[in-house]
Formats: sequence, C-alpha cells, structure tokens
Amino acid sequence: QVLLVQSGAEVKKPGSSVKVSCKASGGTFNSYAISWVRQAPGQGLEWMGGIIPIFGTPVYAQNFRDRVTITADTSTNTAYMELSSLRSDDTAVFFCAREWNFYGSGSGRSDYYGMDVWGQGTTVTVSS
Amino acid sequence: VVLTQSPATLSVSPGERATLSCRASQSVRTNLAWYQQKPGQAPRLLIYDVSTRATGIPARFSGSGSGAEFTLTISSLQPEDFAVYFCHQYNDWSTFGQGTKVEIK
Repeated sequence: QVLLVQSGAEVKKPGSSVKVSCKASGGTFNSYAISWVRQAPGQGLEWMGGIIPIFGTPVYAQNFRDRVTITADTSTNTAYMELSSLRSDDTAVFFCAREWNFYGSGSGRSDYYGMDVWGQGTTVTVSS
Repeated sequence: VVLTQSPATLSVSPGERATLSCRASQSVRTNLAWYQQKPGQAPRLLIYDVSTRATGIPARFSGSGSGAEFTLTISSLQPEDFAVYFCHQYNDWSTFGQGTKVEIK
C-alpha cells in the first residue's frame, strides 16, 4: 500500500517562497497523478494543481497559476509544490493526494477513481 | 463550478440516518466524489462517480444524484462517522464544497 509522506511544517516571512515535498513510500507513483490541495484554518479544500509524473507537465488552477510550481522526480518518487510571494492568507495546511486523472491533464484518460491516497499534510505559517 | 453543501451543520444521534446535500452551480454529470475529514487528519475518500464506494468504505455510506443535485446518505451513524464531509466535482477543473459538519445530537 502506497503512502504519501510530506515534508515538515514551515514558518515563512511574507514575500518569500515555500517548497513542500511529497514522497511515495512503500511503492511508486506508477502512472498516477499527484495533486496539491490547500486548506486554510477552519476552511474548505482548494485544488491548486496537479501533475502526472510520467508525463511531467503540470496543470495549475487559475487562482494559483502565477505563484505555484509543481514538479515531480520519478527517480525518487517525490513530488514538489513551491508557492511564491507568500501572504498571510496563505497560512494553511497543504496536502498532496493521489488521483488517476484530473481535469486538464491532457492524459486522454476518461476514468477516475477519486483522490484515494493523501499525504499527512504540511502546515505552512506565513508571519512577519 | 461552485458547490453548495447543506446544511452547514447536521446534528444527529448515533444510529440515526444522516442525509447531506451538495448542489452544483451547473451540471457536473456524474463526476462527483465525497470525502470525510476528521480534525487534524487528511480527507478520506468515501465515494466517487456519485455512488461508487471507495475500497474499504462501509455499505452504510451511499451516494446518489446526477447533474447538479447530489446526496450522501449515512444509513445508521456510528461514533466514528462524526466528522466534516466535503463534496468534490471533477467535471470542470476541480472544486470542493465548503463542507457539512455532522455532530452528535
């Protein structure tokens, strides 16, 4: 059973960047996609973007397109999410999640099975 | 696509039935999933494609609907079911509802 293990909590200054990692433990990414989801304190879930590591091209949600970079290293089965120009309202828990497909992936896949494996979450606090 | 969940909070006694609603601002066909989240934990996939239970999900969880109106039903609430539930559409990009908290009555 694959687990997704994320990097630890971060405290950042406004205007800086943060890079969060997500490593597949006990298996590989195989052909799955990895998406990133943000959850502000006491709030709902917001999809930031995703990548299918074997294809390599990330797709970003409109709200994050100018500030987020998602990459993946298939040799280490690790995905990364970097968010720049941090603001206080970026204070949140960031999750990675495995899914077979996502809208706009360009994979040609028509089937979908949900975000079935999640990382434990990484808390990012933005404060001066 | 905006997903609106109702009610925001649902107070239910253990053993009772819980019915959660998710309404989409436009049709999402059958591209809808449900997740359960407990405090301090990651979300857990319950259902995808409206009504298909994920691996290991008990049969007391069921989903229904199509187009723009969807329902998650928990037939007999167990103590471990008290949590927040989110719907998620993946028909047009990916968006989540704001959540319904199921609390003990």
